[in-house]
Amino acid sequence: NAGVTQTPKFQVLKTGQSMTLQCAQDMNHNSMYWYRQDPGMGLRLIYYSASEGTTDKGEVPNGYNVSRLNKREFSLRLESAAPSQTSVYFCASMGPGTRNEKLFFGSGTQLSVL
Amino acid sequence: AQSVTQLDSQVPVFEEAPVELRCNYSSSVSVYLFWYVQYPNQGLQLLLKYLSGSTLVKGINGFEAEFNKSQTSFHLRKPSVHISDTAEYFCAVSSTGTASKLTFGTGTRLQVTL
Repeated sequence: NAGVTQTPKFQVLKTGQSMTLQCAQDMNHNSMYWYRQDPGMGLRLIYYSASEGTTDKGEVPNGYNVSRLNKREFSLRLESAAPSQTSVYFCASMGPGTRNEKLFFGSGTQLSVL
Repeated sequence: AQSVTQLDSQVPVFEEAPVELRCNYSSSVSVYLFWYVQYPNQGLQLLLKYLSGSTLVKGINGFEAEFNKSQTSFHLRKPSVHISDTAEYFCAVSSTGTASKLTFGTGTRLQVTL
């Protein structure tokens, strides 16, 4: 059971380049999330998907788009990367019928935008 | 909307000493409270949670936390820490009535030394 898998683990981009961060979970969870982690700021929610076919903005959605491709996969796209998007990105999922009881996190993607 | 304050960004402690990591929250509605731990180069893992019932909550690895509604606090404690407890600890809150969106604090780095 792999849990939540994120790819890539590391990425360096130039300003203006685009890329997609991939996330997949094999736990049959309904809800999936993208967070960014910055020093001194904790984790901030970028986008989330409460169920397949739905997505909603979180606290810091500007500059990002998401796609809930199917129940397993939830991707995060940077259309035109900016240095302010240098961060560690975490994907997470949560099972059905829970009340924020437990988020399962991936191991993160370290992104640097030069 | 809710918010979380972790006043201590770093807490140094000697092995086998007790430790308390402080967390205060703000919310106009009833809340669920969580502590997550992040070991180096890993995603976050749930340490413990308060949903309802007893205000003293026990988690994994000997940690416990007490929900104090009057002081809007949810401090994390361990009577005797180990080197392996060195990690970043995040307090998080969500409102009981909304779909699964957690707000995280900025984190406390626990550094255990010999």
